[in-house]
Amino acid sequence: QSALTQPASVSGSPGQSITISCTGTNRDVGTYNPVSWYRHHPGEAPKLILYEGTKRPSGVSDRFSGSNSGNTASLTISGLQAEDEADYYCCSYTTSSTWVFGGGTKLTVL
Amino acid sequence: QVQLVQSGSELKKPGASVKLSCKASGYTFTDYAINWVRQAPGQGLEWMGWISTNTGDPTYAQGFTGPFVFSLDTSVSTAYLQISSLKAEDTAVYYCARIYYDLKYYHMDVWGKGTTVTVSS
Repeated sequence: QSALTQPASVSGSPGQSITISCTGTNRDVGTYNPVSWYRHHPGEAPKLILYEGTKRPSGVSDRFSGSNSGNTASLTISGLQAEDEADYYCCSYTTSSTWVFGGGTKLTVL
Repeated sequence: QVQLVQSGSELKKPGASVKLSCKASGYTFTDYAINWVRQAPGQGLEWMGWISTNTGDPTYAQGFTGPFVFSLDTSVSTAYLQISSLKAEDTAVYYCARIYYDLKYYHMDVWGKGTTVTVSS
């Protein structure tokens, strides 16, 4: 199972919006089970920020939103803040009953 | 609150074994399966496999059979990851994560802070 494809890095200035894509296949991203997204600050536990592609857990800012189109899912962060600087991972539960992560995207807030 | 508390950092020599723990609290342990995830230095997150907390049955991802063993002690709400015959390449942070399943979709909603394993002579 190959990793899902994410850009290695993205950047934006405070207040701007950025989008991170996550491309897979019809065995993972394009299946019935939408992707979830995780924010990871080094040294801390990864944190769930979106599940089922577009849903936010309680306590997660509405600046985080998601979308899906075919085999590609996207995470958009609006109104960038310094605290958003982190690594972001998408993850999919596949048709083989396995899990696969994206390679991760490092977000830099300029 | 719902949390997974992982054991502390380990420094091991090549060939040794290590057993990491992941203790759940704030919920019924057997209601949710556990994923194990590895992050090697400078690398991304990698799924290692999962264990059913109902049956104790483990499922290992490709590349994580053999030296890697998942187990449970439901009496103390704890999942374990044992790695034997450690190699330098096993140096990584190991995370446990709770699998949430609502009879339709899956995701990981709660994560431990990770255990750093360093293998060095």
